[in-house]
Amino acid sequence: GENVEQHPSTLSVQEGDSAVIKCTYSDSASNYFPWYKQELGKRPQLIIDIRSNVGEKKDQRIAVTLNKTAKHFSLHITETQPEDSAVYFCAARSPLRGNEKLTFGTGTRLTIIP
Amino acid sequence: GAGVSQSPSNKVTEKGKDVELRCDPISGHTALYWYRQSLGQGLEFLIYFQGNSAPDKSGLPSDRFSAERTGGSVSTLTIQRTQQEDSAVYLCASSLTASSYEQYFGPGTRLTVT
Repeated sequence: GENVEQHPSTLSVQEGDSAVIKCTYSDSASNYFPWYKQELGKRPQLIIDIRSNVGEKKDQRIAVTLNKTAKHFSLHITETQPEDSAVYFCAARSPLRGNEKLTFGTGTRLTIIP
Repeated sequence: GAGVSQSPSNKVTEKGKDVELRCDPISGHTALYWYRQSLGQGLEFLIYFQGNSAPDKSGLPSDRFSAERTGGSVSTLTIQRTQQEDSAVYLCASSLTASSYEQYFGPGTRLTVT
């Protein structure tokens, strides 16, 4: 089955600097890669996603890149703000019927230092 | 419209008792997913439903865990003879169909087994 690894497990950056979180996946059939943000005690919220026919996607201060050959994808947050502090999870999903579940990474706790 | 709802929000039970957790997906969403999040951990897939059928039960940790969905809407996750290691937040998510990509999470049920 799919295996997703996520690094780093914790990340602290100064407010205004950029943050990068990286994930690798094992199943070359996976074709959908979402990123979720989870604030303390809250539900995971989808913040951005990318499909395998695209190499990069951007939404304001957030961008995701995908390298299908290397089977890795990354989340980039620019001009970080205190409200970006949260745990971020990457995930991968296979398109195969009967296997349509998300496999999550173990999470990155991002702390923005004011 | 209303998002995914779960009940109860918190459940404290004694070891050995059975518990039922409920998930009400977004109206019109035919796919429903159960995940488990242990303290400080990532999200572990348990089971998903497309309509009333469960194509993938591979994530259920033991035969003490079962889930059902009737009428293509509400789902219940049942844990029999609870153990302390069952303590976790149980999250439910739904998507329009199993082949749809975006999954939307409920607020979770925090289960504590004493």
